[in-house]
Amino acid sequence: NAGVTQTPKFQVLKTGQSMTLQCAQDMNHEYMSWYRQDPGMGLRLIHYSVGAGITDQGEVPNGYNVSRSTTEDFPLRLLSAAPSQTSVYFCASSYVGGTGYTFGSGTRLTVV
Amino acid sequence: GQQLNQSPQSMFIQEGEDVSMNCTSSSIFNTWLWYKQDPGEGPVLLIALYKAGELTSNGRLTAQFGITRKDSFLNISASIPSDVGIYFCAGPPTGANSKLTFGKGITLSVRP
Repeated sequence: NAGVTQTPKFQVLKTGQSMTLQCAQDMNHEYMSWYRQDPGMGLRLIHYSVGAGITDQGEVPNGYNVSRSTTEDFPLRLLSAAPSQTSVYFCASSYVGGTGYTFGSGTRLTVV
Repeated sequence: GQQLNQSPQSMFIQEGEDVSMNCTSSSIFNTWLWYKQDPGEGPVLLIALYKAGELTSNGRLTAQFGITRKDSFLNISASIPSDVGIYFCAGPPTGANSKLTFGKGITLSVRP
């Protein structure tokens, strides 16, 4: 099915470990973004990209890196996991200038 | 930055009742969006509004773009159990192109 695919769905990390959350879309969307969702905080933008080779910071970028080598993929890297990064992470994509985001089903990350 | 305010954080209604929720901002938005998030899933776009005063329906859902451009309303009529979820308002900050700001969401519970 066309859409946004996120892997893994669940992950437990130890403090200090690194990992990459994967996001892929097959709709040829130029715009891709990562959000984290915490109770009572809504969705907060971490990083976004308007096309291959172009990335920028969102509201809460610290502790996260991104790259965009292809239109389809937008991985999110946690460099040294901290308990404060325990959250549900969503990837979303759209056409540039569009607002009808398509979201992935999320990755639930726990850092112990 | 431009923030979107949603309250209360939770609402509890009886099946069959109507419910209204609103979203306000201290800044003008040129587009208002309403998303719904089912448990364990990513948000899905319900309704998009592009013009001040616009009233748009999607089945039992009706949303309005406030004439001041600083608020929007979502009404759900004759609620059913599958209306349970988190309802987010969202909009692109001025000049943000595809970037969206989300409200913190309202969790709706429907008692059978």
